[in-house]
Amino acid sequence: SQQGEEDPQALSIQEGENATMNCSYKTSINNLQWYRQNSGRGLVHLILIRSNEREKHSGRLRVTLDTSKKSSSLLITASRAADTASYFCATYPNTGNQFYFGTGTSLTVIP
Amino acid sequence: NAGVMQNPRHLVRRRGQEARLRCSPMKGHSHVYWYRQLPEEGLKFMVYLQKENIIDESGMPKERFSAEFPKEGPSILRIQQVVRGDSAAYFCASSPPHLLNTEAFFGQGTRLTVV
Repeated sequence: SQQGEEDPQALSIQEGENATMNCSYKTSINNLQWYRQNSGRGLVHLILIRSNEREKHSGRLRVTLDTSKKSSSLLITASRAADTASYFCATYPNTGNQFYFGTGTSLTVIP
Repeated sequence: NAGVMQNPRHLVRRRGQEARLRCSPMKGHSHVYWYRQLPEEGLKFMVYLQKENIIDESGMPKERFSAEFPKEGPSILRIQQVVRGDSAAYFCASSPPHLLNTEAFFGQGTRLTVV
């Protein structure tokens, strides 16, 4: 497998709590992206973080990137039931020309 | 500006038939990627195409699968003599000419069921 393993595989939290998902990868990357997939639907782009960036925010989302550890985290604050979905990290390696996806974290937010 | 359009959304084929999946990229996008997603799994890369060129097909099975992106018209992923194991969701993504530090835009996918 080239890239991207998310942890945990599944996460269940109460509405209003924060959700943290982690992604580890194997080779040097140009950028890392997080996508969301609702059940039976396509992927929606959430946020892109470049290899020279350490942290990025977008609304209730906060992404960190640690290239020395080859890992990233996605934090969703003040979760809502509508955040229930699968979340995937995708890496774009320096020597590649495609995205590599992880296996995803299935998030359930209980109202 | 319509997003990435995939059709059909659902496709049922009997074993041995052919499946043709279509993907129209976003306007201005000349790069197309095909991914396959098995139930409860992540997306696996299949092929990366530019107009009239296959750039990377390292994820394509050696037999029965082919892809094209002609000068005019949508990208086509073709699966010949389908088997039950081909049942999956197939996603297409498109991007502008320079993928570096840009996102890929995904279609809603085609769900292939082989009976």
